[in-house]
Amino acid sequence: QVQLQQWGAGLLRPSETLSLTCAVYGGSFNDYYWTWIRQPPGKGLEWVGENTHRGRSNYSPSLKSRVTISVDTSKNQFSLRLTSVTAADTAVYYCVRGAVAQWFGDLSVVGWFDPWGQGTVVTVSS
Amino acid sequence: AIRMTQSPSSLSASTGDRVVITCRASEFMSTYLAWYQQKPGEAPKLLIYGASTLQSGVPERFSGSGSGTDFTLTISSLQSEDFATYFCHQYYSYPLTFGPGTKVDIK
Repeated sequence: QVQLQQWGAGLLRPSETLSLTCAVYGGSFNDYYWTWIRQPPGKGLEWVGENTHRGRSNYSPSLKSRVTISVDTSKNQFSLRLTSVTAADTAVYYCVRGAVAQWFGDLSVVGWFDPWGQGTVVTVSS
Repeated sequence: AIRMTQSPSSLSASTGDRVVITCRASEFMSTYLAWYQQKPGEAPKLLIYGASTLQSGVPERFSGSGSGTDFTLTISSLQSEDFATYFCHQYYSYPLTFGPGTKVDIK
């Protein structure tokens, strides 16, 4: 059974860089979409972005200029980096495995999210 | 971006009740839809994908239907452990988006 375990700093000052890492235990690291999703306090879910073992990344347009998701296939880990954080970035951040919904030859499209990491509370405050 | 709406935003129900939650997309998205359950302080849990395929291990009282722009999640007989918030999620196009959630609480 695949498990995701995440860690990283939980308290940041405005303008600092958010950095989180997620380790994947069990199952293949290839052919999935390694994804970060966040949830502001009391609010809904927001897709941050994804990357694959082949380095195919996609990001939320609203965060694209500040976000990088990197993948380390040697360690079965992936990481989130979000620069210049503000209070609006305060949220619970989840690392998630995105399934492949469909294959088109060698290309795939992302599908549903399962499993999820335990979540990391990130607070941005001066 | 595809905008997802859910109705109702909240509902009160009793154990044994049949509950129906609706999710509507702002544009066509075939059956590229998933449903998640989230309890307070926990990560969301996948219930259904492909609009109607039940995730392994999820009780059969949960079912999903729909295609195109209109989808439903049905709980045939609500159990105490089902009181939670439910989110729909479209993976038809980027950016991937979620519905705002439907909170199911005890009447």
